[in-house]
Amino acid sequence: AQSVTQLDSQVPVFEEAPVELRCNYSSSVSVYLFWYVQYPNQGLQLLLKYLSGSTLVKGINGFEAEFNKSQTSFHLRKPSVHISDTAEYFCAVRLLSSGSRLTFGEGTQLTVNP
Amino acid sequence: EPEVTQTPSHQVTQMGQEVILRCVPISNHLYFYWYRQILGQKVEFLVSFYNNEISEKSEIFDDQFSVERPDGSNFTLKIRSTKLEDSAMYFCASSVGGSMYEQYFGPGTRLTVT
Repeated sequence: AQSVTQLDSQVPVFEEAPVELRCNYSSSVSVYLFWYVQYPNQGLQLLLKYLSGSTLVKGINGFEAEFNKSQTSFHLRKPSVHISDTAEYFCAVRLLSSGSRLTFGEGTQLTVNP
Repeated sequence: EPEVTQTPSHQVTQMGQEVILRCVPISNHLYFYWYRQILGQKVEFLVSFYNNEISEKSEIFDDQFSVERPDGSNFTLKIRSTKLEDSAMYFCASSVGGSMYEQYFGPGTRLTVT
């Protein structure tokens, strides 16, 4: 069975600082990888996804993530954050081989301070 | 931009009562999902639905749960006899296709069982 670990439950940063949110997964088969963002009182919104091809994936709002197969990681990065990036971020995987269920990590609360 | 909608936003019910959570997926989508998030825990997959039948379900989705697409627009989750541990945020999602395609999430229904 697949699992997802987000190593940091909370990440406080100052505005305009770079940020990295870490995600590791375990799976015996190939997976698709996703990052979702949840703003307060809203649903989950897709930031970016990795299906195949280039391991560096660019998403919305200036975020990017890099798929590292050898380290089974899919860390999310942004070079300069804004106050408006304050939200909960979820990493998720889906097996290529079967089904369409998403398996989520625990979530990382990113708080951007002025 | 089309979006998934869910009603009600918050439902309070007594233990043992039946509840129906409603979702209107995006109109040209064919795959439908329910997830839940117990406070402080991961977002968990419950069930996926395609072509008027359940395509996949998790171990959480026991006989107390059922899903239905009663007409061309609504997708419902019924809990027959609610328990305290059913208290959670329930998210509906839909996608135009299967595993490669983005799942679009609704804002959620917060279910409180007292």
